[in-house]
Amino acid sequence: AQSVAQPEDQVNVAEGNPLTVKCTYSVSGNPYLFWYVQYPNRGLQFLLKYITGDNLVKGSYGFEAEFNKSQTSFHLKKPSALVGGSALYSCAVRAYTGGFKTIFGAGTRLFVKA
Amino acid sequence: ETGVTQTPRHLVMGMTNKKSLKCEQHLGHNAMYWYKQSAKKPLELMFVYSLEERVENNSVPSRFSPECPNSSHLFLHLHTLQPEDSALYLCASSQGQFSTNEKLFFGSGTQLSVL
Repeated sequence: AQSVAQPEDQVNVAEGNPLTVKCTYSVSGNPYLFWYVQYPNRGLQFLLKYITGDNLVKGSYGFEAEFNKSQTSFHLKKPSALVGGSALYSCAVRAYTGGFKTIFGAGTRLFVKA
Repeated sequence: ETGVTQTPRHLVMGMTNKKSLKCEQHLGHNAMYWYKQSAKKPLELMFVYSLEERVENNSVPSRFSPECPNSSHLFLHLHTLQPEDSALYLCASSQGQFSTNEKLFFGSGTQLSVL
């Protein structure tokens, strides 16, 4: 079955420090991977995606993610956290199950402390 | 602004009420979706419409009834809901439904409370 796991409910990081939000996936066939961010009282916004090519993809707001096929992971990273980045981050995989579906992880809440 | 607008932002209803959620997209997209978001759970896909035709219904109870009158508008009609249906309901759209790298554009959601 296609699935996405985000092992951490919450990640706390101090402003200016690097951050990592973890994501692993399980799909049959090629994975098409996405990260979305959700600020309070808002819908999800697309951050970045991996389809093919370079394993390191760059996205909005200075975020990047590294695709690791052997570990079936797609961790989100940022070299320096900002307080304004506190939000819910959701990993997703687009997979074919009788039609293309976007399957989401449970989300990781990121708190950036000043 | 993502180009997807949902109304109302908040809704409180009793179990015997009938209400509707509305979604409108201004992006010229061909596919629209309803998702349910509950705390600490993955987004649950409820319905998918492609070119105004329902292409997916993920075993959603009949007390939720979607309607897509045209490619820009999507409704979710609610009838005799249960307290466990309280959640954030998100509408999304995408260019199409059948490509691998489709990204979704979400509205801000309707926070529904069923008393």
